[in-house]
Amino acid sequence: DAKTTQPPSMDCAEGRAANLPCNHSTISGNEYVYWYRQIHSQGPQYIIHGLKNNETNEMASLIITEDRKSSTLILPHATLRDTAVYYCIVRLPGSGSARQLTFGSGTQLTVLP
Amino acid sequence: GAVVSQHPSWVICKSGTSVKIECRSLDFQATTMFWYRQFPKQSLMLMATSNEGSKATYEQGVEKDKFLINHASLTLSTLTVTSAHPEDSSFYICSARAGTHTYEQYFGPGTRLTVT
Repeated sequence: DAKTTQPPSMDCAEGRAANLPCNHSTISGNEYVYWYRQIHSQGPQYIIHGLKNNETNEMASLIITEDRKSSTLILPHATLRDTAVYYCIVRLPGSGSARQLTFGSGTQLTVLP
Repeated sequence: GAVVSQHPSWVICKSGTSVKIECRSLDFQATTMFWYRQFPKQSLMLMATSNEGSKATYEQGVEKDKFLINHASLTLSTLTVTSAHPEDSSFYICSARAGTHTYEQYFGPGTRLTVT
């Protein structure tokens, strides 16, 4: 699976959009970009994933550059409860047991009141 | 959405004893379950992958005789930490994959193990 690079930490004001970047310059054509987050002392939570098109769901939006070498997770109106470590993961699809998620160090997002 | 539970949520045990952690998929059948370990201020590290009815596949450096994994049913996997030592103190998290969809891997809330 392709390696990802994320800033170690970011701050965001409550109510503002939080834009979390991720570089994955070695991504291959059929690898997906996944985002998970982990609130302190809890298990990771799936947020969103995409291949090449921008995606949006009730939690966030995912913007993937045209060359797919980087992406941005957008939380449109951050709240204090969005304070967490956000993980960007690139991996191949499929249900085989080899398709486990490999977590990097992630970005600690702190939403400030 | 799919729910994965873990029990217990935290446990304190004495050095040399064994501890069993359960991971259950509550509303779906999990053909594959994963066990992770997370030390303070570090990321999740995959320990092993288990498929229902077969032996678990352990990641390099994880002792299979120390961390016993059983996935006897489609809704239950257990991790037993045998002869626990203080360095085994960690946050243990399981996840379960529901089927063929690429993103359907759901995480449990984690179990905090403290070995004294």
